[in-house]
Amino acid sequence: AAGVIQSPRHLIKEKRETATLKCYPIPRHDTVYWYQQGPGQDPQFLISFYEKMQSDKGSIPDRFSAQQFSDYHSELNMSSLELGDSALYFCASSLGASSLEQYFGPGTRLTVT
Amino acid sequence: LAKTTQPISMDSYEGQEVNITCSHNNIATNDYITWYQQFPSQGPRFIIQGYKTKVTNEVASLFIPADRKSSTLSLPRVSLSDTAVYYCLVVSTDSWGKLQFGAGTQVVVTP
Repeated sequence: AAGVIQSPRHLIKEKRETATLKCYPIPRHDTVYWYQQGPGQDPQFLISFYEKMQSDKGSIPDRFSAQQFSDYHSELNMSSLELGDSALYFCASSLGASSLEQYFGPGTRLTVT
Repeated sequence: LAKTTQPISMDSYEGQEVNITCSHNNIATNDYITWYQQFPSQGPRFIIQGYKTKVTNEVASLFIPADRKSSTLSLPRVSLSDTAVYYCLVVSTDSWGKLQFGAGTQVVVTP
């Protein structure tokens, strides 16, 4: 069965650079979520989109922005990167905004040097 | 948002049943309970969800008492591949998709 696709899987950036992470949800899923998991920490909700509109927002820094496109894929844009942004970034998708069952992707490991 | 408390870690042997109890004393009427499993460097995986009483699927069972102040995830006959972190989450219908992960339970299964 098709799963959530995230690209790139690994990304190395320097401080103050920008990064763009991409997420392709499971076909027919209309809701996308972004989570950040720092080393040794638990996943933290960043932001979600339902039918291309932002549906909820968590602890996402102002330096980060995201959007969902007409084909339902989503991109997380991160600017002025800091060392503390080094983390695993997971994207998840679900069918409908009222589903507790979210399907997570393999994650993008971002390293900021 | 209801705060959850669960054991930091649990050890088990292969073939045993593992029960992880999560406390959520201030759970609200419109809150649901869901459990996720996470292996190192992988995204969390949905296990089960419930509102009250008992829910069972092919992977686990979830027991929720009448007062809903706690819930117990039961993993029958665990194997080495069940070694993972298990998260209990309380989700409000007001912010349905916003999964807020707290400290999970590291389950270690040994032969």
